[in-house]
Amino acid sequence: DVKVTQSSRYLVKRTGEKVFLECVQDMDHENMFWYRQDPGLGLRLIYFSYDVKMKEKGDIPEGYSVSREKKERFSLILESASTNQTSMYLCASSLNSGRVGEQFFGPGTRLTVL
Amino acid sequence: ELKVEQNPLFLSMQEGKNYTIYCNYSTTSDRLYWYRQDPGKSLESLFVLLSNGAVKQEGRLMASLDTKARLSTLHITAAVHDLSATYFCAVGLLGNEKLTFGTGTRLTIIP
Repeated sequence: DVKVTQSSRYLVKRTGEKVFLECVQDMDHENMFWYRQDPGLGLRLIYFSYDVKMKEKGDIPEGYSVSREKKERFSLILESASTNQTSMYLCASSLNSGRVGEQFFGPGTRLTVL
Repeated sequence: ELKVEQNPLFLSMQEGKNYTIYCNYSTTSDRLYWYRQDPGKSLESLFVLLSNGAVKQEGRLMASLDTKARLSTLHITAAVHDLSATYFCAVGLLGNEKLTFGTGTRLTIIP
C-alpha cells in the first residue's frame, strides 16, 4: 500500500512565523503535490514537483514555497504565516505514468494561524 | 483552463433510496477519479475511470464515464448510513500530471 505521511495533524502558529509542513511518501513516486482544502472551494493546488529539485506553481502559489531535496520528501513553507492561510493542507503523490496518474493522499495537516 | 463542476453540492437522502452525483468537466480528458472523504480525514481513492464508457462498481457505488459528454456519474444504490461522506471527482488534462478537483458533494444518509 502507498503510504503518505505528514509531519503534523494539527498545528497552531502565530502571524508572521515561518512554518514548515513536511510530507513523506514510501512508494518511490516521482510526483508530489501540496493542496489546501477550504469549505466550499474544494481542493486547490499550491505547488507540485515531478522530480527532485523540480517544482511548478499550481493555482494558488502566492505566500508559499516548496522544497524537494529527496525523492520521498516534499516540504511546504509558509515564509510569513498569515491568518488567511488557516486551512487544511493535504499532500499527495503519484507515479509519473506518462498520463495522469492516480494520486494518493496523506492524512492532512490542519493549520491555524492566530 | 479546465473546470470541473459537481452537483449537487449537498445531498441528504434516506436510507434505501437511490441517487446520482454528477461531475461535468470542460476540456477533453480521458481519465477521471472519484474520491471519498470522511469528516476530518483525508481523501480515499474510490474509482479510476480510464476510457469512454468505463463503468466501475464497488458495493452500492457505481461510477461511469462519458468522455464525449464530458460527464461522469456516481450512482448510489439503496443508500446506507456508512456512505455518508463528501465525494470528489477529479480530472486531468492529457499529458499533464496535475488533477483538477470538483468542489465536492456532501452526502448525508438519514436513517
